Amino acid sequence: DSGVTQTPKHLITATGQRVTLRCSPRSGDLSVYWYQQSLDQGLQFLIQYYNGEERAKGNILERFSAQQFPDLHSELNLSSLELGDSALYFCASSVQGLAATEQFFGPGTRLTVL
Amino acid sequence: AQKITQTQPGMFVQEKEAVTLDCTYDTSDQSYGLFWYKQPSSGEMIFLIYQGSYDEQNATEGRYSLNFQKARKSANLVISASQLGDSAMYFCAMREARFGNEKLTFGTGTRLTIIP
Repeated sequence: DSGVTQTPKHLITATGQRVTLRCSPRSGDLSVYWYQQSLDQGLQFLIQYYNGEERAKGNILERFSAQQFPDLHSELNLSSLELGDSALYFCASSVQGLAATEQFFGPGTRLTVL
Repeated sequence: AQKITQTQPGMFVQEKEAVTLDCTYDTSDQSYGLFWYKQPSSGEMIFLIYQGSYDEQNATEGRYSLNFQKARKSANLVISASQLGDSAMYFCAMREARFGNEKLTFGTGTRLTIIP
């Protein structure tokens, strides 16, 4: 158990819908990262938050947004869903950035868009 | 340009043998970190080992060791005395030293199958 929790574990929805994925980082970790793992794109970085503020953005679509709350949990919102958004979405956490020698991943949320 | 290259899409290894999973990387930074993760069929990403670019000794964690050759820009994972439970996808990843962007960039992975 990495200490990073993600809910829900599985999500099945239809095209055009909106979903919210939730992540709680390990105790003491201020940085939260979101990654998408799909068959055609592999593991891709989406966005990073540090202590409530957006720190870095990757290949995140405009239909996707995220935030980190004062209690440090984070949510990834995916809207106007398309079939191609079906993927495994991971949240990871670490202590503050460049000194971190670990980045622990949650169990992931498997999103299926029908 | 690909920043992390894993050239072995799949490997089959006899149980109890040692196995080396290849990883090469590309960066112009002097300071960076290299990570290896294991992803079993259940899907979770399990952190295995970390090597910092300034670390003089190769990292080891139990049966895992990282063969770090900085000049060749390679960071191969060595698993000693392989076990059936080692069957999984293995990903190499790099974190470059860009303040405010500590993301990991992943390779495409190697699927390791341990044969009894």
